[in-house]
Amino acid sequence: QVQLQESGPGLVKPSETLSLTCTVSGGSITSYYWSWIRQPPGKGLEWIGYIYYSTTTNYNPSLKSRVTISLDTSKNQLSLNLTSVTAADTAVYYCARSRNYLDWFGPWGQGTLVTVSS
Amino acid sequence: DIQMTQSPSTLSASIGDRVTITCRASQSISSWLAWYQQKPGTAPKVLVYKASTLQSGVPSRFSGSRSGTEFTLTISSLQPDDFATYYCQQYNSYSPTFGPGTKVD
Repeated sequence: QVQLQESGPGLVKPSETLSLTCTVSGGSITSYYWSWIRQPPGKGLEWIGYIYYSTTTNYNPSLKSRVTISLDTSKNQLSLNLTSVTAADTAVYYCARSRNYLDWFGPWGQGTLVTVSS
Repeated sequence: DIQMTQSPSTLSASIGDRVTITCRASQSISSWLAWYQQKPGTAPKVLVYKASTLQSGVPSRFSGSRSGTEFTLTISSLQPDDFATYYCQQYNSYSPTFGPGTKVD
């Protein structure tokens, strides 16, 4: 059974770059679509973007200028970089799998809280 | 972007109640809609996809339906484990979007 686990710094300074990693176990990362989704404290869910086969990416238009998602197939990991962060980027960040580019998400990682503060 | 709305935002219910949550899309999404359950401190878990298909392992008291751009999640008899927040998500467009959530307490 595939499992996902997010990791990365819990605190990032304003204007800096948020970098997270999601390690996938129990299955290959070279299949399926892999997304990042975030949830500000006490608020709803926002899809950030997905990657497929290291070559195909699609980002939320509202974040596209600041987001990069990549795959490291040798480590079975996906990564998220979000530049020029502000307090509005404070959220729990989840990685999740989908079977297609237009699909529901599952399974999800447990999520990791990232706080943007000086 | 396709906008998703949910009603109500909060729902007070008791064990054994029939609970109905509504989600509306700002444009046609066919049946490309999923429902998730989220409990505090945990990731969302899919309950229903393609508007009415129950995910494997989800209790049969959960069901989903569609009428045009209006979607409904029904819990036929609320159980203690069902107190949570429920989200809908459309996946008809290249930018999937979620509803704002309905908290069942």
